[in-house]
Amino acid sequence: RKEVEQDPGPFNVPEGATVAFNCTYSNSASQSFFWYRQDCRKEPKLLMSVYSSGNEDGRFTAQLNRASQYISLLIRDSKLSDSATYLCVAIKAAGNKLTFGGGTRVLVKP
Amino acid sequence: NAGVMQNPRHLVRRRGQEARLRCSPMKGHSHVYWYRQLPEEGLKFMVYLQKENIIDESGMPKERFSAEFPKEGPSILRIQQVVRGDSAAYFCASSPPNRLDNYGYTFGSGTRLTVV
Repeated sequence: RKEVEQDPGPFNVPEGATVAFNCTYSNSASQSFFWYRQDCRKEPKLLMSVYSSGNEDGRFTAQLNRASQYISLLIRDSKLSDSATYLCVAIKAAGNKLTFGGGTRVLVKP
Repeated sequence: NAGVMQNPRHLVRRRGQEARLRCSPMKGHSHVYWYRQLPEEGLKFMVYLQKENIIDESGMPKERFSAEFPKEGPSILRIQQVVRGDSAAYFCASSPPNRLDNYGYTFGSGTRLTVV
């Protein structure tokens, strides 16, 4: 079983709609979590950190459920420019290695 | 403040040749991480280095792959006797020598290796 798992998608989203997707992690020792965004053939870029209390950054909302070991990302009022692959990332308490999920592809269409 | 610099951006090698990928971390960052991304797959951790030390190489293939981060100069990922299966995007990331939990990593633009 992979340490971090994501639905690969694609999620086809009408422009202006809301889309949400989850990521599950298997290692209960994972302490910190992030969402990264990766555009085709480019480097991953940090979208936002994920906090236990949930956090919002503009149209993006991230949630962490430690009991069920999943993280979610919700995008409101989707823009065409939101089309990308969203990578869920976990880091264990000890050491600094980031573990990536396989990514969820989102396609926003007019 | 320049970001993480990787070169070359694209590298073509024939089977059996050596590939050298370079990564210069952000100014002030002393931790370097290498990741590999095969076509249509996620990023896989390879190795974590600090200056002159390999901290975690649990993701490195047992043969042909090596990495270093000398006291002076960039980090180097070296692949000897490349095979077609080594064709991938290789990303380098760096972080400062303190807690990174809230800041993630900063990635370079990657080196796309093609083995022909």
